[in-house]
Amino acid sequence: GAVVSQHPSRVICKSGTSVKIECRSLDFQATTMFWYRQFPKKSLMLMATSNEGSKATYEQGVEKDKFLINHASLTLSTLTVTSAHPEDSSFYICSARGWGLANTGELFFGEGSRLTVL
Amino acid sequence: QKEVEQNSGPLSVPEGAIASLNCTYSDRVSQSFFWYRQYSGKSPELIMSIYSNGDKEDGRFTAQLNKASQYVSLLIRDSQPSDSATYLCAVIASTGANSKLTFGKGITLSVRP
Repeated sequence: GAVVSQHPSRVICKSGTSVKIECRSLDFQATTMFWYRQFPKKSLMLMATSNEGSKATYEQGVEKDKFLINHASLTLSTLTVTSAHPEDSSFYICSARGWGLANTGELFFGEGSRLTVL
Repeated sequence: QKEVEQNSGPLSVPEGAIASLNCTYSDRVSQSFFWYRQYSGKSPELIMSIYSNGDKEDGRFTAQLNKASQYVSLLIRDSQPSDSATYLCAVIASTGANSKLTFGKGITLSVRP
């Protein structure tokens, strides 16, 4: 399967600071990248969908000014959690879909980034 | 509201047994169906995809799809302790680059040695 790399895998920050998470598709060009959040013992919740060179589309209830998504190239998308607070502590996971897989819907996931806000 | 339901679980089976995981979905136009395995603290890993009615086998895994009943299942034969994980059912209604997967809440499987 295709490889999606996510960095950092763990980050601890103080309340009020911003944290950037990178998601890279290593061996394919991603038409679309998706950002998910997962709280303990809960399922994945889609936060936003991003396409290269376009503004991200956010799901209802997700603050676009708080969760900044940049999709600068076909292999890189970033999620910045601005002014993070303890309630933002979660497991953030990116996923990517490549050319040719649009017809199957298959997604490949990054390793995830565990954010802890103190 | 498009929903994917995984209501059974947690599930515990002895090593070597067959584990049966079930999933129902509400959107009749759903086209693609996936089973992901997620170990604790890790991200999901795709183990099976199925697109048409019937069974699809891959090693010890068999996915079964019944679109009329809006039901998809995953059978794991000869279950191993390493199969202990949370299994997420995911459904997609349409194709296209931006089409979204809807995930169920997952079923936690424990395989007893």
